[in-house]
Amino acid sequence: RKEVEQDPGPFNVPEGATVAFNCTYSNSASQSFFWYRQDCRKEPKLLMSVYSSGNEDGRFTAQLNRASQYISLLIRDSKLSDSATYLCVVNTGFQKLVFGTGTRLLVSP
Amino acid sequence: DTEVTQTPKHLVMGMTNKKSLKCEQHMGHRAMYWYKQKAKKPPELMFVYSYEKLSINESVPSRFSPECPNSSLLNLHLHALQPEDSALYLCASSQERGDSRSSYNSPLHFGNGTRLTVT
Repeated sequence: RKEVEQDPGPFNVPEGATVAFNCTYSNSASQSFFWYRQDCRKEPKLLMSVYSSGNEDGRFTAQLNRASQYISLLIRDSKLSDSATYLCVVNTGFQKLVFGTGTRLLVSP
Repeated sequence: DTEVTQTPKHLVMGMTNKKSLKCEQHMGHRAMYWYKQKAKKPPELMFVYSYEKLSINESVPSRFSPECPNSSLLNLHLHALQPEDSALYLCASSQERGDSRSSYNSPLHFGNGTRLTVT
């Protein structure tokens, strides 16, 4: 089993739709969770950290489910500019931050 | 604009060349990272430096040699690379939190990357 897994997609959604991605992790001791966004041929950019109680930033909501060992990202009211690859990052040990495989999102007019 | 600067942006080198990738950050972060990213794949961790000491080497071949001259700089020396080493090399930094007994990490801040082609 991979340490951090995501559905690669692509997820094709129309503008205005709500879309959700999950990311599962195998190390029950993991404590740090992040969502990154990566555009084609660019570096990953931090979208949001994921806190135990869940957190929201505008149209984006992140949740952590420790019992089932997954994190989720919900995007409401999708925009064309949300089209990108969304990568979850989980620490699998001290300073060892591992990326999931990434989920590609395509938002169409 | 990214606060982590990588040079060069692009590099083409032959298999017998020696070159270096450079990374600089001025955010006061004490952890610095090298990741390698192939097309359509996620970044893969190569090395981590913590307080200028190598703390993680993910079984990277010796033709890649990292160096951390000071808390702001991170280099990756390349020698006798293979064509399959062609990739985007990403440098990142993060605030140091806790110690090896802690499993909390601050988020990574990435540079723009160096796109390396080995011919």
